[in-house]
Amino acid sequence: AQKITQTQPGMFVQEKEAVTLDCTYDTSDPSYGLFWYKQPSSGEMIFLIYQGSYDQQNATEGRYSLNFQKARKSANLVISASQLGDSAMYFCAMRVGANFGNEKLTFGTGTRLTIIP
Amino acid sequence: GAGVSQSPRYKVAKRGQDVALRCDPISGHVSLFWYQQALGQGPEFLTYFQNEAQLDKSGLPSDRFFAERPEGSVSTLKIQRTQQEDSAVYLCASSLKGWAYEQYFGPGTRLTVT
Repeated sequence: AQKITQTQPGMFVQEKEAVTLDCTYDTSDPSYGLFWYKQPSSGEMIFLIYQGSYDQQNATEGRYSLNFQKARKSANLVISASQLGDSAMYFCAMRVGANFGNEKLTFGTGTRLTIIP
Repeated sequence: GAGVSQSPRYKVAKRGQDVALRCDPISGHVSLFWYQQALGQGPEFLTYFQNEAQLDKSGLPSDRFFAERPEGSVSTLKIQRTQQEDSAVYLCASSLKGWAYEQYFGPGTRLTVT
C-alpha cells in the first residue's frame, strides 16, 4: 500500500522568504508520480507541480520547485519569494503504478502555510 | 474556460435522508474521480470512472454510497440513509486520460448531516 507523510501541520513564514514544505512517500512500485496541490480557504484544490519517478531533473513551475530525492523517498515543495497569497493548505499526493485504470491519488494530511507580512 | 463544477455547494441533510451530489467535469476529460475530505484531513479516494465505466470503487465506505456516470460526462454521487459520519466535503476531479496528467478539482460539496 502507498502512503504519503507530511510532518509539518503548520508553518509561519515571513513574506518574501523561501519556504520548504516536507513530503515523504512510501511505495514499492518503481512507477509513480508525485503531485503538490494548494487548497485556499475557498476549498478548491489547485494543481501546482508534478514529478514522475523516472524524471531525471527536478520539476519547476514558476516560483514552485520540487526537491525530489528518490533514495530518501522525499518530494519537498520549495516556494521561492513567498507572497501573502501563498497562505493556504498544501497537500502532497502520489499516484502509483503505470497500469491502465490505476489513476487515483493518495494524499497526505497537509501543511497549513501562513505568510506573515 | 469552464472548470469542474459541483452542485449543490452546500447540503444539509437529516440523518436517514438520501442525497445526490452532482459533478460536471471539464469538457473532453475522460477520467472522473470522487474524493471525500473530512475536516482537517487530506482528500480520500472514493471512486473513479473512465468514460462511463466505473473502474475503481474500492474507496466507497459502504453500500450506502453509489456513483454513476451514465453518458460519460456528468457524474452523480448518491448517499442513501445518510449518517453523521458522512459529513464531509465531497470533491470531484477530472483529467485527461493518462497516468501523468494532473487532476482538476471542483469546489466541492459540503455535506452536513444533522
